[in-house]
Amino acid sequence: QSVLTQPPSVSAAPGQKVTISCSGTSSNIGNNYVSWYQQLPGTAPKLLIYDNNKRPSGIPDRFSGSKSGTSATLGITGLQTGDEADYYCGTWDSSLSAGVFGGGTKLTVL
Amino acid sequence: EVQLEQSGTEVKKSGESLKISCQGSGYSFTNYWIGWVRQMPGKGLEWMGIIYPGDSDIKYSPSFQGQVTISADKSISTAYLQWGSLTASDTAMYYCARQTGYGLFDNWGQGTLVTVSS
Repeated sequence: QSVLTQPPSVSAAPGQKVTISCSGTSSNIGNNYVSWYQQLPGTAPKLLIYDNNKRPSGIPDRFSGSKSGTSATLGITGLQTGDEADYYCGTWDSSLSAGVFGGGTKLTVL
Repeated sequence: EVQLEQSGTEVKKSGESLKISCQGSGYSFTNYWIGWVRQMPGKGLEWMGIIYPGDSDIKYSPSFQGQVTISADKSISTAYLQWGSLTASDTAMYYCARQTGYGLFDNWGQGTLVTVSS
């Protein structure tokens, strides 16, 4: 059981938009920055979004992040087959004094 | 360029000990926390703990406290994850990653696969 809650899977057609939610509490998302990671099959995770809505250099603006209260959302527009991956949210939990991840969401581009 | 190079695949038996490594390069190793993340087969990411090589300050997830030992040797820019007695449930891919903010990992190693047979 992960501290952060994500839907197990989402799907959409190429070119469409999809959103992935990440729900937490005041001890984690509510009072800390959220980051998002993309894990392509058989590879290490890669940072996609940090500080709720910032993109590292090289990440296309098709990827966006937002946060409201104790929830965060990852948005992906103009879906491509290459976006098929597992996506994880992460943050710090002030009560645990440790980092936490969501359970991950598998994106299928139909 | 920041790089984290992890040690290779390990195949061990239950009860054996193990120490895997993660060598950082391309940045000041002592100025950033390094973390370890577990991914069991077909499962999600689990935050295990972090170490600050500058002073060896360590924070463990409550789930992993007492189960593993995190350490670092700043003279060779290397962090370690260690088990005293492996069990089959330790079978997983282990990633190291550089932390640049609370809970934020900006660069990841390629992963070390650990397989423990009973």
